[in-house]
Amino acid sequence: DGGITQSPKYLFRKEGQNVTLSCEQNLNHDAMYWYRQDPGQGLRLIYYSQIVNDFQKGDIAEGYSVSREKKESFPLTVTSAQKNPTAFYLCASSSSGMNIQYFGAGTRLSVL
Amino acid sequence: GESVGLHLPTLSVQEGDNSIINCAYSNSASDYFIWYKQESGKGPQFIIDIRSNMDKRQGQRVTVLLNKTVKHLSLQIAATQPGDSAVYFCAEYNNNDMRFGAGTRLTVKP
Repeated sequence: DGGITQSPKYLFRKEGQNVTLSCEQNLNHDAMYWYRQDPGQGLRLIYYSQIVNDFQKGDIAEGYSVSREKKESFPLTVTSAQKNPTAFYLCASSSSGMNIQYFGAGTRLSVL
Repeated sequence: GESVGLHLPTLSVQEGDNSIINCAYSNSASDYFIWYKQESGKGPQFIIDIRSNMDKRQGQRVTVLLNKTVKHLSLQIAATQPGDSAVYFCAEYNNNDMRFGAGTRLTVKP
């Protein structure tokens, strides 16, 4: 069953804690993306990666970090520097040369 | 369910009616557009796309219209069904940069 898998579905963060959101795809896509979704707003790009071992900051990268050690995986760490982390986080992937991005089911992060 | 899309424009239609959802995009240089559907608590799903050299494209029960003169995109859903209830948003693409609108919440009344 091909697709993008995000885990966990719900995540709670304590103050000062780093948390990592998982994103795995078995679509053989080169590019992967992380977005943040807040109520009433469009998706905002946090980080993206066009190829393994390379990634670029998006519009709101501060307080976040990523890695791309494998083509299938693009984990996002929400660090303690991100002061307003409560949001719905979406991972997406796309094939090189194609613009359509396919999304995972999302992770909802809340602060305890 | 998840509270994605609070305070969005809303459209309420009767089951079986046609729905028209509108989107104003910002960049006149954008050359590719996508409509996504997002149900509560889920990730966005691709519905239909259109390139800037077209003004209309049809899919199964959906039609996208593009008016480049006024930078306007619309999604028409024929014979709207309860399963069509969701937030719909457009995305515009230009030079490796994709921008997403906030969306419109469609509610289908039985």
